Amino acid sequence: GENVEQHPSTLSVQEGDSAVIKCTYSDSASNYFPWYKQELGKRPQLIIDIRSNVGEKKDQRIAVTLNKTAKHFSLHITETQPEDSAVYFCAAPGTGANNLFFGTGTRLTVIP
Amino acid sequence: NAGVTQTPKFQVLKTGQSMTLQCAQDMNHNSMYWYRQDPGMGLRLIYYSASEGTTDKGEVPNGYNVSRLNKREFSLRLESAAPSQTSVYFCASASLAGPYNEQFFGPGTRLTVL
Repeated sequence: GENVEQHPSTLSVQEGDSAVIKCTYSDSASNYFPWYKQELGKRPQLIIDIRSNVGEKKDQRIAVTLNKTAKHFSLHITETQPEDSAVYFCAAPGTGANNLFFGTGTRLTVIP
Repeated sequence: NAGVTQTPKFQVLKTGQSMTLQCAQDMNHNSMYWYRQDPGMGLRLIYYSASEGTTDKGEVPNGYNVSRLNKREFSLRLESAAPSQTSVYFCASASLAGPYNEQFFGPGTRLTVL
């Protein structure tokens, strides 16, 4: 199956600063990369995704970039706010997979 | 709509006991999933059901069984619980099988095995 590695495991930023979370994947055939956000004690929820036919996708303060050659993708959050504090998970499907393989998560803390 | 619901929310078991975690969705989704979440390990797929009547193993199926009771319900059974199965269990559903469809998660079940 797909091997997804995620860094860093924890990240603290000052409110208003940017945050970047990076993921690498092993299967070059993977073509879809979602990001899920999990607030403390809550369920994971999809916040943004990207397909391999584009290099970048933006949605207000969040963006995801993809480098297929290097097999890595990143989540960028600009102008961070305290409500951005959560655990973020990246994922990828792998060849022929009917499901997703998740990274180990990044705990983001935004300091007011 | 309630979305994806799970019962119970919390459970404590002794080693060797059995139990069934229940999951139901009211979104008319075809696919359903069971994950476990452990600190530093992320979300790992236990079993999934691409459609009613089918089930398949995920990354960590050992020690678990599943039943897709009907289109709405997908249960996870621990026949003989072990301390290594202490975890938070999430059920999820998606409109169609395959990785490209958003997965909607339930609130989770926190299981402790003593």
